Amino acid sequence: NAGVTQTPKFRVLKTGQSMTLLCAQDMNHEYMYWYRQDPGMGLRLIHYSVGEGTTAKGEVPDGYNVSRLKKQNFLLGLESAAPSQTSVYFCASNLRGRAASGDEQFFGPGTRLTVL
Amino acid sequence: DAKTTQPNSMESNEEEPVHLPCNHSTISGTDYIHWYRQLPSQGPEYVIHGLTSNVNNRMASLAIAEDRKSSTLILHRATLRDAAVYYCILRDYSNSGYALNFGKGTSLLVTP
Repeated sequence: NAGVTQTPKFRVLKTGQSMTLLCAQDMNHEYMYWYRQDPGMGLRLIHYSVGEGTTAKGEVPDGYNVSRLKKQNFLLGLESAAPSQTSVYFCASNLRGRAASGDEQFFGPGTRLTVL
Repeated sequence: DAKTTQPNSMESNEEEPVHLPCNHSTISGTDYIHWYRQLPSQGPEYVIHGLTSNVNNRMASLAIAEDRKSSTLILHRATLRDAAVYYCILRDYSNSGYALNFGKGTSLLVTP
């Protein structure tokens, strides 16, 4: 199993440009997430999905859109990139399990995005 | 959401035990205590979790205070590979799709 993969690994954008980050998981997980991590900070939740065709806002959703057309993929879009969106973006997934089982969240390697 | 308090950084010698503390005085009865760690330039990875009882796995042990207002992650023999940021997280299963609420964590430095 590849686990959680993210495309691309690095990207530089100019202010106002758009792009889509792709997350894929091969573990048949129901739940998927997008987080961002700024220097010296913990991760913050942008959007999440509890199943194919569903999405919901997290803590910092402004400026981002998401789609979950297929269970294994979760896309994060930036319609008009701003310098404040310079960050490392992590995708994660977990099986919808019982709390007692831990329901381990698996993370991708991250996408490092710079907006000039 | 219930929050956690961790020291910003800790240092340990290689092959010695490490005790990473976490305070969570506002924990609710249904919050599970999770620990994740993030190695340099990588995504976070699961370490261990518990509710009330102490827990052991191949990576670490988790000691939970009787009143659940604090916990300690124990690495029995630190290696250089254990140098990472360790996050103590109270997992809320009631909303946000089971998302993890990360703070700043504790940066662990392991010296030879």
